[in-house]
Parts: sequence; structure tokens; C-alpha cells
Amino acid sequence: GQSLEQPSEVTAVEGAIVQINCTYQTSGFYGLSWYQQHDGGAPTFLSYNALDGLEETGRFSSFLSRSDSYGYLLLQELQMKDSASYFCAVSGGGKLIFGQGTELSVKP
Amino acid sequence: DTGVSQDPRHKITKRGQNVTFRCDPISEHNRLYWYRQTLGQGPEFLTYFQNEAQLEKSRLLSDRFSAERPKGSFSTLEIQRTEQGDSAMYLCASSPLTSQGTEAFFGQGTRLTVV
Repeated sequence: GQSLEQPSEVTAVEGAIVQINCTYQTSGFYGLSWYQQHDGGAPTFLSYNALDGLEETGRFSSFLSRSDSYGYLLLQELQMKDSASYFCAVSGGGKLIFGQGTELSVKP
Repeated sequence: DTGVSQDPRHKITKRGQNVTFRCDPISEHNRLYWYRQTLGQGPEFLTYFQNEAQLEKSRLLSDRFSAERPKGSFSTLEIQRTEQGDSAMYLCASSPLTSQGTEAFFGQGTRLTVV
């Protein structure tokens, strides 16, 4: 089976940096993805790691360690609009399995 | 192309009734997924298709749920004899074959309320 763990909520202030961790247990692992979902909206793709290391996309970066079954999403220069839920998801066998999500609250 | 579209956006039904939802994926995407999401939870995998073939169905999915993708384009998800526990957001997503399911594009979902 597959399972993912991430913190349920994180609070940070505008302009700060926040890291959202994700650990996973899965068979047939292909990669780790991150999605953002605003209240009432659809999940949208942020980032993906298939290999160990850091991937950077603007203010967002994602890291993966396959040997540790661990990854994180790093959000820099936080803005109020970054307040949302963030999900890690593992892909394998053609489908995506999502974690329970981390609700990020950005305060002024 | 305007992305993944789902219809209807909202559905209220009485317990015991059947409901059917439609998903139109991004046209060139081979893979289509159905997920269910309840408040405060992550999307829960239900089933997925590669073209018209249904490749996997979650063991959590009861026999009351069925999905089709008859011509490898749009898909339907039917729930028979709805129960209050079926109330949730039903999300459809699609991805190109080359992405190995790593990048999926989601529709806005169909919110089902069973009363």
C-alpha cells in the first residue's frame, strides 16, 4: 500500500520562508509531486521530483531523498496569496496518491 | 483548450437515488483519473483510465461506483443507491502519458450532497 505523512497545518508571516515536509511509504515509487489547493478551488500542480535533490521553480523549491523516503516543499518570500492547502503526492503505476494536506496560513 | 471540465458543478440528491457525473479531460491527455475529496482531507484515488481502458480501481470503492470512458475521451462516474457518506467533492484529472501520472490537471470538481 501507499501512505504519506505531512503536518496538518503551518503558520508563517509574510516574507518568511516555510518548509513543508512529507514522508512516504509506497511500492512502485516513480516520483514525488506537490500540489496547491485554495479553498473552493481545484488542486494545481506546483513541482515534481523524480531524482534526489532540489528542484527550483521561482519562489517554490522541492526536495527529494529517495533513500529516506522524504521530501519537502520550500516556499520563499511568502505572500498572503500563498495561504492554501499543500499536498504531497507519490506517483507509481500511473496513478497519484495524495497525502492529507498541510494548511498554510500566512499572516501579515 | 480550456482545461478539464466537469459537469455538474453541484448536485443535491436524495439518499437512494443514482447520480452520474461527467468529465471532459484536456483533449490530448491519455490518462484520466477520478478522485473523491472530503473537507480537510487530500484527494482520495478512486480509479483511472488510460485511453478507454480502466487500469485500476481502488479497493475502497464499493460496487455502487462505476466509471466509464467509452471512446477514450470524456468519462462518466456513476454512483448507484447513494448514501449520505457519498457526500463529497468528486474531482477529475487528466495527464499526458509521458508524465507517468506525475503532473495531473484537475477540474473544478462536482460537489455531491446526499440528503
